[in-house]
Parts: sequence; C-alpha cells; structure tokens
Amino acid sequence: DQQVKQNSPSLSVQEGRISILNCDYTNSMFDYFLWYKKYPAEGPTFLISISSIKDKNEDGRFTVFLNKSAKHLSLHIVPSQPGDSAVYFCAASAYTGTASKLTFGTGTRLQVTL
Amino acid sequence: DAGVIQSPRHEVTEMGQEVTLRCKPISGHDYLFWYRQTMMRGLELLIYFNNNVPIDDSGMPEDRFSAKMPNASFSTLKIQPSEPRDSAVYFCASRSRGTEAFFGQGTRLTVV
Repeated sequence: DQQVKQNSPSLSVQEGRISILNCDYTNSMFDYFLWYKKYPAEGPTFLISISSIKDKNEDGRFTVFLNKSAKHLSLHIVPSQPGDSAVYFCAASAYTGTASKLTFGTGTRLQVTL
Repeated sequence: DAGVIQSPRHEVTEMGQEVTLRCKPISGHDYLFWYRQTMMRGLELLIYFNNNVPIDDSGMPEDRFSAKMPNASFSTLKIQPSEPRDSAVYFCASRSRGTEAFFGQGTRLTVV
C-alpha cells in the first residue's frame, strides 16, 4: 500500500523552463511534507519542506505547494538548470509526539536538457 | 562532521550468505533510520531507533533481517541468509528533533 505516490517516473524539461514534480498522498494524518533530491551514487539530500498549516513554501528557485483537500503537493523549480537533473523524492510524516518516520514515494527522475 | 557514514559502499555476496551493513550516524543525532531503495517501491523504511532503542521495525521484510544499535555511534543491519531479492541499495539516515534526516551514501547490495 503506497501511501505516497509519485506517478511520473521521469520528466524532461529544457534549461530555463519550469519543472513541476507532483506527489499525491492517501494518509490524512500526514502533516509534514518534504522533498529530497538524489544524485547517482549518493544519498538523498533534503531540499525543501512544508507544514500542513501552510499551502506554499519558497526557497530560492524551489517552491512547494500543498493542496490538503486534494492530498496533493508539487515542487516547482524555476528556472530549471542542468544541475537540477536528479531523482526527486517526495516524503511525508505524521507527527506523533516522537520523531516521525518519513514515508517516501518512488521518486521522479528529472532531466534538464540544454 | 563527516556526515552519516555507511560501509561497505558495495557488497556482492552469494545467496545464503550472511551480510552485515554498517552505519555511523552524525554525532548528537538520537534517531537512526534504515531504508531500502528499490525501483518498484522507492525508499522503504525498514526500522528506526531512538536513543539506541528500536521503535518501529514493521518495515523489516522478514525474520532474515535484523538490526542492532549497541551504542549511539554505531548500527548494523544484518541479513541472514541473503537472497537475490534482497538486492537493493540500503541507506542509513540520522536526525535529531527539529532537524531533517541526513542520509549516508548507501550500500549497494547484490546477492547472486
């Protein structure tokens, strides 16, 4: 049972254009969402997060949008750069009073072309 | 800090053999997580520890898998006996309350 879904396994975008990566979740208890970026032969690294009390969080070229009613979040990268080519994982957690475990999606491979 | 350190980076073993993966978390982090990455299921949480105590091992696939954390600076994930379907990349991550999880570089396990 995949509670966090990334239905697009891959995405190709031209340099300078916008990249939009999507993520859907099923567990209504999730209240904290993160995006991680992974390069080949490296571990995932944290990129940006959003709490369920917000619907948008911005950090430079990266913006995450959360639509709680649709149980959907998206990551926007503007403008896209070749160095952004990586696998992006969406993750979610439900605060339980202790350190919450992260539930990850299957990832979307982004290729930014010249 | 050198970050989360995992060893070995690559492991090739024969079916039926015991495999031990190792992890050194970031100093001061009191939560440690073991994940497995596969194409079909992405990053799956296998088990996590808080202050060296296993909190949730519901993701451990079978009794062949076991994990220990004898002290705050070391954890192992053992597979005995290993099977070809265990082939995957295994990640260790650590965090403390209020921080994001930091991942190691992973161990690529191949069971032939």
